[in-house]
Amino acid sequence: EAGVTQFPSHSVIEKGQTVTLRCDPISGHDNLYWYRRVMGKEIKFLLHFVKESKQDESGMPNNRFLAERTGGTYSTLKVQPAELEDSGVYFCASSHLSGNNEQFFGPGTRLTVL
Amino acid sequence: AQSVTQLDSQVPVFEEAPVELRCNYSSSVSVYLFWYVQYPNQGLQLLLKYLSGSTLVESINGFEAEFNKSQTSFHLRKPSVHISDTAEYFCAVSASYGKLTFGQGTILTVHP
Repeated sequence: EAGVTQFPSHSVIEKGQTVTLRCDPISGHDNLYWYRRVMGKEIKFLLHFVKESKQDESGMPNNRFLAERTGGTYSTLKVQPAELEDSGVYFCASSHLSGNNEQFFGPGTRLTVL
Repeated sequence: AQSVTQLDSQVPVFEEAPVELRCNYSSSVSVYLFWYVQYPNQGLQLLLKYLSGSTLVESINGFEAEFNKSQTSFHLRKPSVHISDTAEYFCAVSASYGKLTFGQGTILTVHP
């Protein structure tokens, strides 16, 4: 069984540009989560999808961030326009809809905004 | 709302020595508790979890953690560490089948 995959693994962009991160969850996992770790800080929750619906987006920092999960499969997280403070590692995780909330994490995308 | 505090940002230890990584949490509701580990250049992996039942939980590689409700703690312990245990360890809580709230992480470095 393939794990959670994320693309790209690294992205370096300039302030004001747009970047789109992609997450492919484990097949059959209806829950999909995005988290972010800014350097030196803790990993923070961004949002939670159940299938294609946003269950909780309380952690999204501002309206420059747009997450989608069309069809309830893979998800994208777009940052437009990117700012310096958006730099960090973006993690995606997925889990079964029922069960014990064991979330399986992807390797993360390291975003650097110059 | 929940919060998690990992009291040590870095823990250096010699191989075969015991180690304890501390984690305290705050929550107004019952929570599930987790320890995740991130080895160098890898993603986060679940190490162990407490959902209910026995307050002492164990992992397959010798780590254990004990849920202490009165002290709101979930410290991680291992009686004898290996070089391969060098990693960053994250304590996390969840109030339901939803988002995880993480601590700041503890970097465990095992020296030969």
